[in-house]
Amino acid sequence: SYVLTQPPSVSVAPGKTARITCGGDNIGSKSVHWYHRKPGQAPVVIIYYDSDRPSGIPERFSGSNSGNTATLTITRVEAGDEADYYCQVWTSEDRPVFGGGTKLTVL
Amino acid sequence: QVQLVESGGGMVQPGKSLRLSCAASGFTFSDYGMHWVRQAPGKGLDWLAVIWYDGSHKYYGDSVEGRFTISRDNSKNTVYLQLNSLRAEDTAVYFCARTEQMGGDFDYWGQGTLVTVYS
Repeated sequence: SYVLTQPPSVSVAPGKTARITCGGDNIGSKSVHWYHRKPGQAPVVIIYYDSDRPSGIPERFSGSNSGNTATLTITRVEAGDEADYYCQVWTSEDRPVFGGGTKLTVL
Repeated sequence: QVQLVESGGGMVQPGKSLRLSCAASGFTFSDYGMHWVRQAPGKGLDWLAVIWYDGSHKYYGDSVEGRFTISRDNSKNTVYLQLNSLRAEDTAVYFCARTEQMGGDFDYWGQGTLVTVYS
């Protein structure tokens, strides 16, 4: 089965840039979607198809995908960005799979 | 506006069954694939099942295949998940979510319903 690997945690100071990686075998050939989930809330898509941003998601959030790594980048990080972040792709068997999640802590 | 509202969660003993429902509104339900995803305490998101827009195809994740069954009633704008032979490790918040197409993102999610399996 296809495995997506994320770092368990990332810490960043307010105003700085956070980068969350999502590793997978030749993930650059797949479309990657990113979600965040805050405690008690439903997951929310923040990046879809590698780098598209839904309406209402700030431009501070961006995505890239190449080779074996996809990256979610959050610039000018704010306290309100603290959340768990998940990457997701569809496997060749048409099954969705999520990464293990990354907890973003704003110092 | 798009709304997905789950119900049917609760506390149940191991080996028992439960049926979850997800009522949809604000969009043409029969145009979308519908999924169930869960999150156990302290764990990540775990995709469970998908049913195509017309109910013609159903696929399951490895963790629940053979125990859980997804179904939908397009006349009621509702998707269901039948949970059988429940285990302690099935304790989780269960979400329904939609995708417009295979390969697409989960663009709307419900708030989730908690299932607790206790002995």
